[in-house]
Amino acid sequence: EVQLVESGGGLVQPGGSLRLSCAASGFTFSSYEMNWVRQAPGKGLEWVSYISSSGSTIYYADSVKGRFTISRDNAKNSLYLQMNSLRAEDTAVYYCARDLTIFGHGLDYWGQGTLVTVSS
Amino acid sequence: EIVLTQSPATLSLSPGERATLSCRASQSVSSYLAWYQQKPGQAPRLLIYDASNRATGIPARFSGSGSGTDFTLTISSLEPEDFAVYYCQQRSNWPNTFGQGTKLEIK
Repeated sequence: EVQLVESGGGLVQPGGSLRLSCAASGFTFSSYEMNWVRQAPGKGLEWVSYISSSGSTIYYADSVKGRFTISRDNAKNSLYLQMNSLRAEDTAVYYCARDLTIFGHGLDYWGQGTLVTVSS
Repeated sequence: EIVLTQSPATLSLSPGERATLSCRASQSVSSYLAWYQQKPGQAPRLLIYDASNRATGIPARFSGSGSGTDFTLTISSLEPEDFAVYYCQQRSNWPNTFGQGTKLEIK
């Protein structure tokens, strides 16, 4: 069974940093592209970042470019999101999501999300 | 950045009725469009990928159509569990973008 479990969320002050993790199991992690998607309280979905299966190709939303860094450790079956210079508008539930990759264009498995609150 | 506009914002229907949800892109996304369903307190669920392909385990009452800039998600006969928020997402260009969502509510 495919499982994605996020961790690392919490309360952080504006300007602070946080590192989110996503532990993957039930599939060959190294074969799949991965994404981070966030959802502010009561709002819609916002795509945040993408990383290819090898980690060689990365994309970011303009809203986080230069502040967030996506990475992965295929040996540990883990995806990460390093978030620096956090702002109030970064407050959201952050989901990691598996890409269909060679099977199509869509995010077929999602974690349960981890809440990041940026507030003083 | 490609902007996706979903309509209507809210759709009020009864169980058994047919639902038609629209997603329009500001420029062509070919067939690289996905649809998701999200219920309160839950993660989104993939329904349709590449405009018209049902994801694994998705009932046949869900169907997707369209290409280029205009896409439709159709639910042929609404079940009580279908009332939720639906999002489209384009996977054609970076950054990927989502529509603002359509809330499907019980009439």
